[in-house]
Amino acid sequence: DAGVTQSPTHLIKTRGQHVTLRCSPISGHKSVSWYQQVLGQGPQFIFQYYEKEERGRGNFPDRFSARQFPNYSSELNVNALLLGDSALYLCASSWDRGGDEKLFFGSGTQLSVL
Amino acid sequence: GQQLNQSPQSMFIQEGEDVSMNCTSSSIFNTWLWYKQDPGEGPVLLIALYKAGELTSNGRLTAQFGITRKDSFLNISASIPSDVGIYFCAGRAVGGSQGNLIFGKGTKLSVKP
Repeated sequence: DAGVTQSPTHLIKTRGQHVTLRCSPISGHKSVSWYQQVLGQGPQFIFQYYEKEERGRGNFPDRFSARQFPNYSSELNVNALLLGDSALYLCASSWDRGGDEKLFFGSGTQLSVL
Repeated sequence: GQQLNQSPQSMFIQEGEDVSMNCTSSSIFNTWLWYKQDPGEGPVLLIALYKAGELTSNGRLTAQFGITRKDSFLNISASIPSDVGIYFCAGRAVGGSQGNLIFGKGTKLSVKP
């Protein structure tokens, strides 16, 4: 079975531009979470979506938004890119059933903002 | 954002040695997870812990959920070169959403062949 897939794998943008990152969860998983990982740090939580509803939001500005589609895939959008947005963006999926809370991560999208 | 205190930050060990790392939090957690991340890849889940005092093994890896619910430990026995990578602890705080994990800064493991 395929794991969590993300696209694109690498992306280069300039300041002020907009970017859309995509994620397909593991088959059967209904929850998708997004994380930002800057070099040398652990991942930081951005959003969680379950059944197309936002379940949680981390401490990120409104320039960051996301949505989940009926097939449970998800998009992360970032507007007005800043140099500091350069990072590895990770998507994770899970069953989101009571007592089973393992998150499985994709390989990420490496975003460079110039 | 909030992060866990993970130590050590890095370690060099001789192949065959045992490794220990730990993670502490100022808040009570109801789940602890340990991940390994290789360069250019996403974190791979190693062990998940759900109850205080729980001790769980996965091959040469053993992890424990601290009884105070504010810490967790990971041990690797008889290390081998493929153990090289960055190990992250992650926890879910009480009241946090299911997808919201708080991560440590990682322990970078390097093995001398």
